[in-house]
Amino acid sequence: EAAVTQSPRSKVAVTGGKVTLSCHQTNNHDYMYWYRQDTGHGLRLIHYSYVADSTEKGDIPDGYKASRPSQENFSLILELASLSQTAVYFCASSREGQDTQYFGPGTRLLVL
Amino acid sequence: QQQVRQSPQSLTVWEGETAILNCSYEDSTFDYFPWYHQFPGESPALLIAIRPVSNKKEDGRFTIFFNKREKKFSLHIADSQPGDSATYFCAASGSNYQLIWGSGTKLIIKP
Repeated sequence: EAAVTQSPRSKVAVTGGKVTLSCHQTNNHDYMYWYRQDTGHGLRLIHYSYVADSTEKGDIPDGYKASRPSQENFSLILELASLSQTAVYFCASSREGQDTQYFGPGTRLLVL
Repeated sequence: QQQVRQSPQSLTVWEGETAILNCSYEDSTFDYFPWYHQFPGESPALLIAIRPVSNKKEDGRFTIFFNKREKKFSLHIADSQPGDSATYFCAASGSNYQLIWGSGTKLIIKP
């Protein structure tokens, strides 16, 4: 079965601090995604990647950077965390672009 | 503008009834329409998806109805069970493969 793991599972960060969220998949999938979900809302795409060493901007990339050093790993970096970035962050992977996306368990980020 | 609108925001039905969740989209180039469900405290998971070569897709009690002319698609859950209680998200994508997500419908099935 598809396996996507995320770390940390939860984090408290201070405003202005740097936060790195990590994602690892063992699906051998080419596509990986970072989403944020705010309470009671849907998912919004931050960054995605379809090949190692390359990332693409999603719908809400401002304030976020992404890194895809290998097929298996995809990181989301908040250089200067802000209160508005408090949310649950999901990583997902898929074999192709229009294909089932398999989600990790999520990271709950609280910025104080 | 790329948007996917979902309604209702919340829906309560009795066990055994058919729950109907609705979505509409604006971009006529969209050609992939999945539905995901998310149980409390869990991550989203694909439930069923359709491509517009067909106007209907069934998987057990779950059916997607697709209307290309009106740019609408809906999820029908027949014989609803309490275990179906979850938040359901519709989504759509086109040639750039980016999924555009609806805002979700919180479905409650009363026994």
